[in-house]
Amino acid sequence: AQTVTQSQPEMSVQEAETVTLSCTYDTSESNYYLFWYKQPPSRQMILVIRQEAYKQQNATENRFSVNFQKAAKSFSLKISDSQLGDTAMYFCASGGSQGNLIFGKGTKLSVKP
Amino acid sequence: DTGVSQDPRHKITKRGQNVTFRCDPISEHNRLYWYRQTLGQGPEFLTYFQNEAQLEKSRLLSDRFSAERPKGSFSTLEIQRTEQGDSAMYLCASSSQQWDFTEAFFGQGTRLTVV
Repeated sequence: AQTVTQSQPEMSVQEAETVTLSCTYDTSESNYYLFWYKQPPSRQMILVIRQEAYKQQNATENRFSVNFQKAAKSFSLKISDSQLGDTAMYFCASGGSQGNLIFGKGTKLSVKP
Repeated sequence: DTGVSQDPRHKITKRGQNVTFRCDPISEHNRLYWYRQTLGQGPEFLTYFQNEAQLEKSRLLSDRFSAERPKGSFSTLEIQRTEQGDSAMYLCASSSQQWDFTEAFFGQGTRLTVV
């Protein structure tokens, strides 16, 4: 069975600083993908960044980057230059070829002015 | 196209009643997913369709739950004889499956409260 674990229920960061959210996973699939989704309060979930497991290079999307450690089954998200609009729940998820996602319990991130 | 649309946004029902939710995916997407999210938890996979075929169902999807996608476009999720434990946010997502995994786009969800 696939599992995704986020060990930080809540985190806070000052505006313009950097924060790292942790995620570990376990999967029996040989070809899989990892994702970070953002869910602002009362708003829909949107994709922040994704990583194909067969790629060694860490994915980067503007201020968001990941540290993918395949052997350790670790997939952390780094947010640089944090902005007030980054305040949200962040979910780590894994997915296989079928497309259905397994989510962690989420980390509530608060960006303080 | 404005994205994945779900209706209604909120539903309050009495225990024992039946409810039905609708999801309209992004028009060119052939895959459609249903998830359930309870307070303080991440979304849990319920079922998914490729076109009109329901390809996988989670064991979370009890006999009281049924999902359809009759013409491969919109989908409905029906819960019969609702229980208080069914109270949750029901999320729909869609994606375009080609040769590689692609992004799943989520709707805003239907929040169900069973009283």
